[in-house]
Amino acid sequence: GEDVEQSLFLSVREGDSSVINCTYTDSSSTYLYWYKQEPGAGLQLLTYIFSNMDMKQDQRLTVLLNKKDKHLSLRIADTQTGDSAIYFCADLSGGSYIPTFGRGTSLIVHP
Amino acid sequence: NAGVTQTPKFRILKIGQSMTLQCAQDMNHNYMYWYRQDPGMGLKLIYYSVGAGITDKGEVPNGYNVSRSTTEDFPLRLELAAPSQTSVYFCARPEARQGGSTDTQYFGPGTRLTVL
Repeated sequence: GEDVEQSLFLSVREGDSSVINCTYTDSSSTYLYWYKQEPGAGLQLLTYIFSNMDMKQDQRLTVLLNKKDKHLSLRIADTQTGDSAIYFCADLSGGSYIPTFGRGTSLIVHP
Repeated sequence: NAGVTQTPKFRILKIGQSMTLQCAQDMNHNYMYWYRQDPGMGLKLIYYSVGAGITDKGEVPNGYNVSRSTTEDFPLRLELAAPSQTSVYFCARPEARQGGSTDTQYFGPGTRLTVL
């Protein structure tokens, strides 16, 4: 089946930029998402990008999509301790209502 | 997470006991989902439903059952709890976004289940 891969951990210093990477295999993905999960909570949609876009910026967040390489990244500028969470990448094929999730990347922000 | 409510928030079961995890949505959406989350393993789809009276298996359905008698409710049943079912369970429904598209998912707060 289709697969979404992420590294499990990322550690950054407060104030630096964080880049979380994701690769996917589904060539028919139409939407790609980033979800954030804070400790003890459910997943919340952080941002998303349509497959016909290369980049999307939303305040401190920048999403880059390389459709040729099936690579998605999430950049968080000026990372704060409140950004510490697990970040999930997910993709959705056209006509489907069931996204495929990655395993999640734990972002640890230290002073 | 007011759009999807889950009860209970926490539960400890003994091996072989049964329980029902409740999930209710505040919108009249046809699609609903149950996932389990294990550390480092991401989300695994257990069951989903495309409307009242219609359910289908996801990736890891063994040991679980669901029903969908109403659009609002989608309970998940564990008949004979096993330690392997220790996990965090999330219920979800599609989320209406700008333009009316409903292709993202809106998650409940989760039920943390321990089977001893």
